[in-house]
Amino acid sequence: DVKVTQSSRYLVKRTGEKVFLECVQDMDHENMFWYRQDPGLGLRLIYFSYDVKMKEKGDIPEGYSVSREKKERFSLILESASTNQTSMYLCASSSPAGSLNQPQHFGDGTRLSIL
Amino acid sequence: DAKTTQPNSMESNEEEPVHLPCNHSTISGTDYIHWYRQLPSQGPEYVIHGLTSNVNNRMASLAIAEDRKSSTLILHRATLRDAAVYYCILRDGGLGGGSNYKLTFGKGTLLTVNP
Repeated sequence: DVKVTQSSRYLVKRTGEKVFLECVQDMDHENMFWYRQDPGLGLRLIYFSYDVKMKEKGDIPEGYSVSREKKERFSLILESASTNQTSMYLCASSSPAGSLNQPQHFGDGTRLSIL
Repeated sequence: DAKTTQPNSMESNEEEPVHLPCNHSTISGTDYIHWYRQLPSQGPEYVIHGLTSNVNNRMASLAIAEDRKSSTLILHRATLRDAAVYYCILRDGGLGGGSNYKLTFGKGTLLTVNP
């Protein structure tokens, strides 16, 4: 089975801090994604990456950046955390970019609170 | 992603079959039907997907209407672990740009399984 591991289940940070969320997948997937999930707003794509060092903005990239230096690892960075970034963050991966219907496999999420 | 309609909630008893309906009357010829579920405090989990023919895997079966305007996810013997929100989504199988990568969940169906 595909395993997507997010570094923390729960995280509490302060306003203005730089926050790193890490995600690792073990299935050699080309595509990796960062979403946030909020009540009433559903799942929203922040960034995705289809290869090492490649990244594309999703629907809500403002205030975030990403890093993909190795195929198995995709990091989400909150440059200067704000309270409106309190949310559940979900990382996902899927196999080759040419197969757009491949399932996405998710980690268990990081519940981030910004105080 | 094209729109889908699902009941807000359904209830089942343990070890009984569950049929979760999904309407997608505006489905296009290249849209695949995907199902995901999300257990409490966990990330979404891929369940099954199909295009025209019925599909079976170890988790569930997907029955697709002949006109493809509706589909049904079948859990053959519900367990307490199947209590989750189930999402039916359409994904364009045609070659295309970045929007095909992201998942967009509606409100889904909250399935309650009674012991």
